[in-house]
Amino acid sequence: QKEVEQNSGPLSVPEGAIASLNCTYSDRVSQSFFWYRQYSGKSPELIMSIYSNGDKEDGRFTAQLNKASQYVSLLIRDSQPSDSATYLCAVNVRDSNYQLIWGAGTKLIIKP
Amino acid sequence: KAGVTQTPRYLIKTRGQQVTLSCSPISGHRSVSWYQQTPGQGLQFLFEYFSETQRNKGNFPGRFSGRQFSNSRSEMNVSTLELGDSALYLCASSWGGLQGNSPLHFGNGTRLTVT
Repeated sequence: QKEVEQNSGPLSVPEGAIASLNCTYSDRVSQSFFWYRQYSGKSPELIMSIYSNGDKEDGRFTAQLNKASQYVSLLIRDSQPSDSATYLCAVNVRDSNYQLIWGAGTKLIIKP
Repeated sequence: KAGVTQTPRYLIKTRGQQVTLSCSPISGHRSVSWYQQTPGQGLQFLFEYFSETQRNKGNFPGRFSGRQFSNSRSEMNVSTLELGDSALYLCASSWGGLQGNSPLHFGNGTRLTVT
């Protein structure tokens, strides 16, 4: 069973609208949660990190964490064509050691 | 500040050979972690080195190994290459590593093709 689940998409959103990306994770000792953006042919780059329940806002991006429901989401307001990319959810879990578990990514397409 | 540097960018190897990949982290970062990315499996964590010690490990076989030097540069070695090892190998550096919940800064990756 995969430990971090994301809808693979593609998720198509009109320019200027809100894009909502979701990620669920299995019941392990999860320490921290990250959203990375990966453009085609490029390496992942950090968008947001979140460590405690609630919302965290950074510019047009808001990360939401609900540990009881085991999900983390990313909202992108005023979506721009440059936001078109694959968004990867990563969960830092502690078992016998620490591991960073990645979701398969959601491909987001912003339509002008 | 220079970013994470990985060399080489591309490699073509034959089954059964071994390969060594190199990663130079951002100055001041003591953690280097390695990842394999394939279309089928996505990103998978290989291992993390912190101050020259392997601190955390993923679920890869022993053919995948690494080391870190005193200047924090890291190498990853894959022995007895298999066709399934063809992938993009990414390294990432961070200040505090996984235990520190630190965000990762990725290099451009090494594209390994095994024939």
